[in-house]
Amino acid sequence: AQKVTQAQTEISVVEKEDVTLDCVYETRDTTYYLFWYKQPPSGELVFLIRRNSFDEQNEISGRYSWNFQKSTSSFNFTITASQVVDSAVYFCALSETSGTYKYIFGTGTRLKVLA
Amino acid sequence: EPEVTQTPSHQVTQMGQEVILRCVPISNHLYFYWYRQILGQKVEFLVSFYNNEISEKSEIFDDQFSVERPDGSNFTLKIRSTKLEDSAMYFCASSGTVKGNQPQHFGDGTRLSIL
Repeated sequence: AQKVTQAQTEISVVEKEDVTLDCVYETRDTTYYLFWYKQPPSGELVFLIRRNSFDEQNEISGRYSWNFQKSTSSFNFTITASQVVDSAVYFCALSETSGTYKYIFGTGTRLKVLA
Repeated sequence: EPEVTQTPSHQVTQMGQEVILRCVPISNHLYFYWYRQILGQKVEFLVSFYNNEISEKSEIFDDQFSVERPDGSNFTLKIRSTKLEDSAMYFCASSGTVKGNQPQHFGDGTRLSIL
C-alpha cells in the first residue's frame, strides 16, 4: 500500500541556517510521482516541485534543492540559507500511476525559522 | 495563469445542516478531486471524479458526502448532515490528464466550521 512518512514533526532553525526536510515513501508501483508543497499560515497549498520515478537527478531552484534516492525511497528537501518567510508546514506527497493519480500526503513538517 | 477557485473561503454551519462547497476547476481540465485537512493534520484524499462519475473514493467519503458537476464549470461537494468532525479545510483540485504529465492544481480551500 502507498504511504508517505515525514518523521520530523517540527523543526526550528535560526535564519541563514540550512535545513533538510525528510520524506520517505512506500509504493508498489514502478512509475509514480513525488511532490513537495508548502502550506503557509494562510492555509493554501503552494506547489514546489514534482519528480517522476524515472528521473533521479537532483534539482536545485534558488535556495531550494531536492535529493531523490530511489534506492532508499527518499525524496528530501533542503532549504539553504533559510529565511523567516520559509516558515510554513511542508508536505511531501506521492501519486501512483495505477488508479486515479490521487495524492497521498505525508503528515507534514512544520518549519520555524527564527530571526 | 489559470487557477482553481473555491467558494466560500469560510463556511460556518450548524451541526446537522447540509452544506455545499463549490469549486470552479481550470476550464480545460478533465479530472477533479476533493481533499480534506482537519486542523493540524495531513491532507487526505476524499474523492476523484472523471467523465461525470466518481472514479475513486476513500473510506472517509461515506454516504453523507456526494459530488456533482452540475454544469460545465462547477464541481461541488455536498455534505448532507454535517457533524462536528466534518470541521476541516476542504481543497478542490483539478488536472488536465491523469497521465501524470500535469500536476494537480489546488484551490485555496474552504474552511468549514461546524458548530
